[in-house]
Amino acid sequence: DGGITQSPKYLFRKEGQNVTLSCEQNLNHDAMYWYRQDPGQGLRLIYYSQIVNDFQKGDIAEGYSVSREKKESFPLTVTSAQKNPTAFYLCASSMGQSRYEQYFGPGTRLTVT
Amino acid sequence: DAKTTQPNSMESNEEEPVHLPCNHSTISGTDYIHWYRQLPSQGPEYVIHGLTSNVNNRMASLAIAEDRKSSTLILHRATLRDAAVYYCILRDPSRRNYGQNFVFGPGTRLSVLP
Repeated sequence: DGGITQSPKYLFRKEGQNVTLSCEQNLNHDAMYWYRQDPGQGLRLIYYSQIVNDFQKGDIAEGYSVSREKKESFPLTVTSAQKNPTAFYLCASSMGQSRYEQYFGPGTRLTVT
Repeated sequence: DAKTTQPNSMESNEEEPVHLPCNHSTISGTDYIHWYRQLPSQGPEYVIHGLTSNVNNRMASLAIAEDRKSSTLILHRATLRDAAVYYCILRDPSRRNYGQNFVFGPGTRLSVLP
């Protein structure tokens, strides 16, 4: 089955540690995205990538980093510089042009204490 | 950038139709209207999208006002599994920096009563 996988579903880290969230898709989509969702809120765009080896900052990129070395993979690193990292993180992909719908992964809930 | 306005929450009875409104008074001529929904603790899923004409698919119908300043997502017979947060989003495929297209506001939380 084609889709997007995110792992792990739940992640716990101590403050001051960097943590990398995985996102893989086998839909052959060019574009991939990372969003953050806080309780009761909508989604906010962290980073997006339109093509391999290229990515752009979204609205809340500070304290995060990404890489796009392969078409199917777009990992997100939450660095210790991110002041409030506890959140629900969602990865998505699309065909590459914005008239197409986005497909979302199941999300990773990160808790930093 | 054009924004959307949705009610915070709505309630429906099971088996009855649900009309979820969205206002987008500053919509541009090239903005598509997209709807997604998010079940608890899951990622959003695509529901439907349209530009000017009303659209139907297996999940829902989208009714777009003639002036395009508002739209309504219609679930013809609500089930308990339709309880979710519904997001109305505008997307402009002509915009080169299309990362800006994906603005998910707080949406409408739909409760379905048995």
